[in-house]
Amino acid sequence: GALVYQYPRRTICKSGTSMRMECQAVGFQATSVAWYRQSPQKTFELIALSTVNSAIKYEQNFTQEKFPISHPNLSFSSMTVLNAYLEDRGLYLCGARVQVNQAPLFGEGTRLSVL
Amino acid sequence: AQSVDQPDAHVTLSEGASLELRCSYSYSAAPYLFWYVQYPGQSLQFLLKYITGDTVVKGTKGFEAEFRKSNSSFNLKKSPAHWSDSAKYFCALDSSGSWQLIFGSGTQLTVMP
Repeated sequence: GALVYQYPRRTICKSGTSMRMECQAVGFQATSVAWYRQSPQKTFELIALSTVNSAIKYEQNFTQEKFPISHPNLSFSSMTVLNAYLEDRGLYLCGARVQVNQAPLFGEGTRLSVL
Repeated sequence: AQSVDQPDAHVTLSEGASLELRCSYSYSAAPYLFWYVQYPGQSLQFLLKYITGDTVVKGTKGFEAEFRKSNSSFNLKKSPAHWSDSAKYFCALDSSGSWQLIFGSGTQLTVMP
């Protein structure tokens, strides 16, 4: 079956340092990958939509300078949180659509804590 | 602008009762609508979706939802509720396959045993 695998599941970094998280599509080709963040006690915000061989589209309040994304092939994407601070804490989800008209499939997420 | 509203931050009911979690959306064209559930410390699990066709859609874990264009709603229902249904539920809108999911603020459901 299709699934989305995220690594690491949990991570802690010092304030001002950077942290990279990975997303892998298993069993299907992830043409587009969306990254979301759930801050503590909040809902999910779309960070960016990444499509292979196309420009990455960032949502308002999120920038490439802060959240650079790599999407080199149809099975892998990574995102880095640069200069992480307290407001960057939360659960980061990677999602991909297996087929059009199907619900986006999410990974288990990477939970980021910042000290 | 597109938006999703889940007006009830918390819903508490007794096991065996019927549950209905409210969701309304704002979008000018045909929406794709989803319900996801988040258990404590976990990611999102898909429950059901409405794309087109039958306005009552059935999903996993015994849940169903009804799409009502007249009042732009997509309420989630289940009867009877079980204590294991306790979790946070998110309604989401995908504006015609653009892949930019807009989530509601979520409803924390507590089912008392």
